[in-house]
Amino acid sequence: GQQLNQSPQSMFIQEGEDVSMNCTSSSIFNTWLWYKQDPGEGPVLLIALYKAGELTSNGRLTAQFGITRKDSFLNISASIPSDVGIYFCAGQQSNDYKLSFGAGTTVTVRA
Amino acid sequence: DSGVTQTPKHLITATGQRVTLRCSPRSGDLSVYWYQQSLDQGLQFLIQYYNGEERAKGNILERFSAQQFPDLHSELNLSSLELGDSALYFCASSVWTGPQETQYFGPGTRLLVL
Repeated sequence: GQQLNQSPQSMFIQEGEDVSMNCTSSSIFNTWLWYKQDPGEGPVLLIALYKAGELTSNGRLTAQFGITRKDSFLNISASIPSDVGIYFCAGQQSNDYKLSFGAGTTVTVRA
Repeated sequence: DSGVTQTPKHLITATGQRVTLRCSPRSGDLSVYWYQQSLDQGLQFLIQYYNGEERAKGNILERFSAQQFPDLHSELNLSSLELGDSALYFCASSVWTGPQETQYFGPGTRLLVL
């Protein structure tokens, strides 16, 4: 399927720092989703975005649906140890039900 | 807890064998999606069912098949297993809010082919 370009691939951050990651694609998506996956578990939905330009927050998480509909970013503010995990972006196109996923961003928090 | 259940959680089998993975969607969800997650390929869409009917097919091998039953649970059948089939298999069910669909994932089945 359509692969999304997610960056960075991994990051080591200090507790309390802000984190940013993004996803880009050469294709337009109608829906952008951000998931977090802990080891041995399924992806858990963090934020869903349905309109270009939409900015949505969920606690310390903020995500935006890019104006061009070809990108999205996720910010985590004031990171804490439980933010450790792999974050995936996913996109859904208008003529397609399946999700296309980025390769993931692995976040490791240094206490 | 997403409300999507998958069994078994772990499965170890040998090459050439056949296994069945089971998924129960969230109450009221009609759609079930199957995904494969491997280290080299990431999360890949396999197949989707909606209310018992196949709706979309992705990168699913001919050795793999799926179905959705009248009670909406789904099974993914993997046959003639190869070492490369070792992966995490997730199902997801989805809810529609107007024109917007959101998929919720189960905890996955970890398949190890020896």
